[in-house]
Amino acid sequence: AQSVTQLGSHVSVSEGALVLLRCNYSSSVPPYLFWYVQYPNQGLQLLLKYTSAATLVKGINGFEAEFKKSETSFHLTKPSAHMSDAAEYFCAVGPLYQKVTFGTGTKLQVIP
Amino acid sequence: SQTIHQWPATLVQPVGSPLSLECTVEGTSNPNLYWYRQAAGRGLQLLFYSVGIGQISSEVPQNLSASRPQDRQFILSSKKLLLSDSGFYLCAWGDRAAGNTIYFGEGSWLTVV
Repeated sequence: AQSVTQLGSHVSVSEGALVLLRCNYSSSVPPYLFWYVQYPNQGLQLLLKYTSAATLVKGINGFEAEFKKSETSFHLTKPSAHMSDAAEYFCAVGPLYQKVTFGTGTKLQVIP
Repeated sequence: SQTIHQWPATLVQPVGSPLSLECTVEGTSNPNLYWYRQAAGRGLQLLFYSVGIGQISSEVPQNLSASRPQDRQFILSSKKLLLSDSGFYLCAWGDRAAGNTIYFGEGSWLTVV
């Protein structure tokens, strides 16, 4: 069984500030972890993924996430927020050959 | 490269009418296929997933059904729509060779009136 918890359904940051979106997972087997971004009225786009290689994963648009097994976390960060980062972000867990489970999403607001 | 398409992009249907949403994947073979739904203000709900032709798993009881008549074709259907079926429907495929990474289609907006 697997599950994902995203802390905070809405997060607001100032333009240029650090972005931190939290994700904790539960998995009975070694997890594969993903972050997706969704802009209004669009499908989800893969930002980055962890598949048991390096624990610090870099993705598109300057985002990165760190896999911490001891904390069962996979938080998404970006050093400096841009207005174009305003979107909804989804964390997901999907052990190989098993279905992928998504979190409930976090809406990021960037304040100018 | 792989691509995924779903259609129609938008539709408005009366209560009690049938539904058919189609999704096709190109550039890969034997993918995992998924249908998700996003209701307003809510997260992603997995409706169906398929690991092969004719193999469909349903995640939630409802008046929707799914079929996979060909390896890269996934269809979401309903015989009689309910108001509660309104939402944003997303088809997706899973790349097993890339750690089950999921790639999404553009989505279909369904409004039941």
